[in-house]
Amino acid sequence: QKEVEQDPGPLSVPEGAIVSLNCTYSNSAFQYFMWYRQYSRKGPELLMYTYSSGNKEDGRFTAQVDKSSKYISLFIRDSQPSDSATYLCAIYQGGKLIFGQGTELSVKP
Amino acid sequence: DTGVSQNPRHKITKRGQNVTFRCDPISEHNRLYWYRQTLGQGPEFLTYFQNEAQLEKSRLLSDRFSAERPKGSFSTLEIQRTEQGDSAMYLCASSLATGPVAYEQYFGPGTRLTVT
Repeated sequence: QKEVEQDPGPLSVPEGAIVSLNCTYSNSAFQYFMWYRQYSRKGPELLMYTYSSGNKEDGRFTAQVDKSSKYISLFIRDSQPSDSATYLCAIYQGGKLIFGQGTELSVKP
Repeated sequence: DTGVSQNPRHKITKRGQNVTFRCDPISEHNRLYWYRQTLGQGPEFLTYFQNEAQLEKSRLLSDRFSAERPKGSFSTLEIQRTEQGDSAMYLCASSLATGPVAYEQYFGPGTRLTVT
């Protein structure tokens, strides 16, 4: 079993939709959960991270962690064509990041 | 703040040749990381440094791979006797080692290696 699992998509939504991106993880000891956005042929860009359980909001983006089910989510409200990218969840463990496979998102105008 | 830079951006080499990549981290960051990303996958950790000390190496980092950070600033990643399976994007990231932002790793644009 992989430490972090993520549905690769692709996911296609119309502009203005609410997008839900999800990951599951295997180790209940993980505490820091990150979300990165990666445009084609670019390096990943840190969007936000959360510690332990709960929600964190930044503009149109909300990150949510449910430690009881080992489930992490990223919600994007009022999605825009510029949000079209691959979204990567990651777990911070002992200095390094363990990434999911990434979900490719396309927002159609 | 110019961000993390990597050179070259693209490298095409023939199987069996040696290649070397360079990473310049954000200037005040004392941790530097190398990751490898293949098409359709998330980045995989290779190794990381705190200042000039190499603190951890993944078992993905075979004997043909070596990384250095001699003065605690820039780092190089060398691959000897390249194989077609080494074709990937090599990503460098940097962060602070302590404090509330120590979990924030900032990535460079990557070096795309193609082995023919």
